[in-house]
Amino acid sequence: NAGVTQTPKFRILKIGQSMTLQCTQDMNHNYMYWYRQDPGMGLKLIYYSVGAGITDKGEVPNGYNVSRSTTEDFPLRLELAAPSQTSVYFCASSYGTTGYEQYFGPGTRLTVT
Amino acid sequence: QKEVEQDPGPLSVPEGAIVSLNCTYSNSAFQYFMWYRQYSRKGPELLMYTYSSGNKEDGRFTAQVDKSSKYISLFIRDSQPSDSATYLCAMSSGNTPLVFGKGTRLSVIA
Repeated sequence: NAGVTQTPKFRILKIGQSMTLQCTQDMNHNYMYWYRQDPGMGLKLIYYSVGAGITDKGEVPNGYNVSRSTTEDFPLRLELAAPSQTSVYFCASSYGTTGYEQYFGPGTRLTVT
Repeated sequence: QKEVEQDPGPLSVPEGAIVSLNCTYSNSAFQYFMWYRQYSRKGPELLMYTYSSGNKEDGRFTAQVDKSSKYISLFIRDSQPSDSATYLCAMSSGNTPLVFGKGTRLSVIA
């Protein structure tokens, strides 16, 4: 039981490049989330999904896209990377949203230069 | 006013001290309250969960919720160097995503 896995662990992008951050969970959770964490700024929700085929915007969705074709996978797409997207990205999953623990992945450290 | 306010610290205490970490919030609809612990370069992990008002104790950790004051606390007794981490409060009103505080960085010095 691996929990939530994220790839890659680190990535350096040039301005204007695109990439996909991968997230997979093996706990059969319905809910999945993408957060970004900037130093001293806590976690900001980018997008979340309540099940396969259903996604919704969080607090900071601009510059990102998501899809959820299976229960297990929730990739995050960055189009036209900008320096403001330099951050640590965490994927999380939970069984439900009300009072259920969110399980986090180890994070992806992204630098855009 | 931000929905959830949390002093980012850093907070430095000697080993064995009692630590008090706090968050205030503005949304009176919040009723699910959580504390996550995040070690350096790791993902957050759930430490304590409280529904509505009251206290909850788990070993050296006690979580308190005062809904009348919109104030939650996490107490750590007999703090250990292994407690050095960032502590994030998080809360929700129900079928909505968690709202996280900025996190308080704690160092426990041996």
